[in-house]
Formats: sequence, C-alpha cells, structure tokens
Amino acid sequence: AQSVTQLGSHVSVSEGALVLLRCNYSSSVPPYLFWYVQYPNQGLQLLLKYTSAATLVKGINGFEAEFKKSETSFHLTKPSAHMSDAAEYFCAVSGLNTGGFKTIFGAGTRLFVKA
Amino acid sequence: DGGITQSPKYLFRKEGQNVTLSCEQNLNHDAMYWYRQDPGQGLRLIYYSQIVNDFQKGDIAEGYSVSREKKESFPLTVTSAQKNPTAFYLCASSPQDRPYGYTFGSGTRLTVV
Repeated sequence: AQSVTQLGSHVSVSEGALVLLRCNYSSSVPPYLFWYVQYPNQGLQLLLKYTSAATLVKGINGFEAEFKKSETSFHLTKPSAHMSDAAEYFCAVSGLNTGGFKTIFGAGTRLFVKA
Repeated sequence: DGGITQSPKYLFRKEGQNVTLSCEQNLNHDAMYWYRQDPGQGLRLIYYSQIVNDFQKGDIAEGYSVSREKKESFPLTVTSAQKNPTAFYLCASSPQDRPYGYTFGSGTRLTVV
C-alpha cells in the first residue's frame, strides 16, 4: 500500500526566494514518485518524476526534487521563485500492486509568491 | 498537437439527472483514468481502463459508470445515485499501466443546481 503526505497546505515565499515544498511517502513496494503542478481551473501538468534512476531529478521550469529513501521524502525545490510559479503542487506515489500500478496523490500545497 | 480533450468545461446537473462527461485523447495511450478533485482532498480515482472494452473500479466508483468502446474515448456518466456530485473531474491517460506519469485534460467542473 502507498500513501503520501504533503506538509503544509499553503506556502508563501517572496519572489526570488527559495521554494521548498515537502512530500513524504509510504510504500511497501519500490516507489515511483511524481510532482505535478495545477493552475486554476486547469488539469495537472507533470513537473518531474523519479523512477529509480538518479536520486536528484530535474524537471521543467527550474524545479528539482531529491529522493531520500532513508527519510522517505521527495521534496520539491526551486532556487528562485517567480510570480508565474504561483499554483497548486501535488506529490504522487505509484507502486505495483495486485491488478497493476496504483497512484496515490497528496492533498496538494498551494504556493503563493509575493512581489 | 496531441493531448486530452475534456468537454464540457462547465456542466450543471439537476437533482435526479444523469450527465455524461466526455474525454477524448489522440496520444494513442492505452490506459485512461477518471479522477475527482475536491478542495483539500487531492485527487481520488473513480475508474480506470487499461485496454479497450475493459475497465476497473477505483476508490470511489459508486454512483458513476464508464465505457471504453474506443481506444481514444473514455466517457464518464455521473448517475443520480451519486449524492454529492459537485466537484472538478479530471481525465488522464498514460502509454500503458506503468509509472510514466499521466497526461491530464483540462477538467470539467460539475455543479448540482
């Protein structure tokens, strides 16, 4: 079984500051991990994914995430926030279960960027 | 450009009425999914299909039905048995039932009036 917890439903940063969105997961099988971004009234867009290759994963729009097995974490970071980064971000975990792969999404973290 | 098209973008349903949400993809993906999104709850899986003419219930299938008669189409019907249907519905697809990550449509917002 898998589960995912996103710490903080809202995060606020100033433009140019570091963005850190936290995600912890639980999985009884080797996990595959994802970050998605959602803009208002839109679908989700894949930012990046970890599929057991390099533990530091680079994604689109300057985001990256590091898989830390010992901490069961997959936090999303960006060195310098831009106003256009304001959106909701979802962490997801996927693993092989009976009947195929099952993906579980976190509750989401809304990122606010202040000018 | 390839992608997923969901229609309509907004839908209003009267009490006791069935409504059907459309999802079409031209990505040649085998697997398709329907999710429901409520504020603060993330996404919950309603139904998924790994191949034409086959589909499985997700975590919250009660009050919903689907069909997969064509590879590119996966419509969702919200029946009158669904007591709280007001939500944002998202359709997604992936090349196979593998952890490649999903491509999502832009969603349908359903409101009961």
